[in-house]
Amino acid sequence: EVQLVESGGGLVQPGRSLRLSCAASGFTFDDYAMHWVRQAPGKGLEWVSGISWNSGSIGYADSVKGRFTISRDNAKNSLYLQMNSLRAEDTALYYCAKDKGKRSGGSCYVYWGQGTLVTVSS
Amino acid sequence: DIQMTQSPSTLSASVGDRVTITCRASQSISSWLAWYQQKPGKAPKLLIYKASSLETGVPSRFSGSGSGTEFTLTISSLQPDDFATYYCQQYNSYPLTFGQGTKVEIK
Repeated sequence: EVQLVESGGGLVQPGRSLRLSCAASGFTFDDYAMHWVRQAPGKGLEWVSGISWNSGSIGYADSVKGRFTISRDNAKNSLYLQMNSLRAEDTALYYCAKDKGKRSGGSCYVYWGQGTLVTVSS
Repeated sequence: DIQMTQSPSTLSASVGDRVTITCRASQSISSWLAWYQQKPGKAPKLLIYKASSLETGVPSRFSGSGSGTEFTLTISSLQPDDFATYYCQQYNSYPLTFGQGTKVEIK
């Protein structure tokens, strides 16, 4: 059974940093691209970042480019999102999501985690 | 960046109605489009991928069509479980983008 478990969210002051983690199990992690998608309270879905199976292809939303860094450790079956210079508008539930296609650059998602809440406020 | 525009933003319908949601891309995305359903407090659920392919386990009353820049999600006969918010997503190129969502409400 595929499981994605996010952690690392919490309350943080504007300008500070936070690192999210996603622990994956139930599938061959290094065969799939992985993504972060966020949802601000009461708002729609926003794709944040994605990383290919071998870290060779990485993408970011314009809203986080230069502030957030995605990475993965295939030996630990884990995905990360380093978030620096956080702003109030980064407040959201952050989901980890598994690519549908094996060894694709980035596609759609059958499996999602339960999300970890990031609140940026003074 | 590719912008995705959904219409309508809200739709009021009754059980048994045929419902159509439209998604337009700001440039061609071939057939690299997905549709999701989301209910409050839950992660999104994939319904359709590659514009018209039904995800495993999704009822056949859901269907998708289109290519290039214009796409539709159709629910042939709305069921009580279908009242939710629906999102399209393009995965033609980074940055991936979602539409703003369409909330299907009970009329």
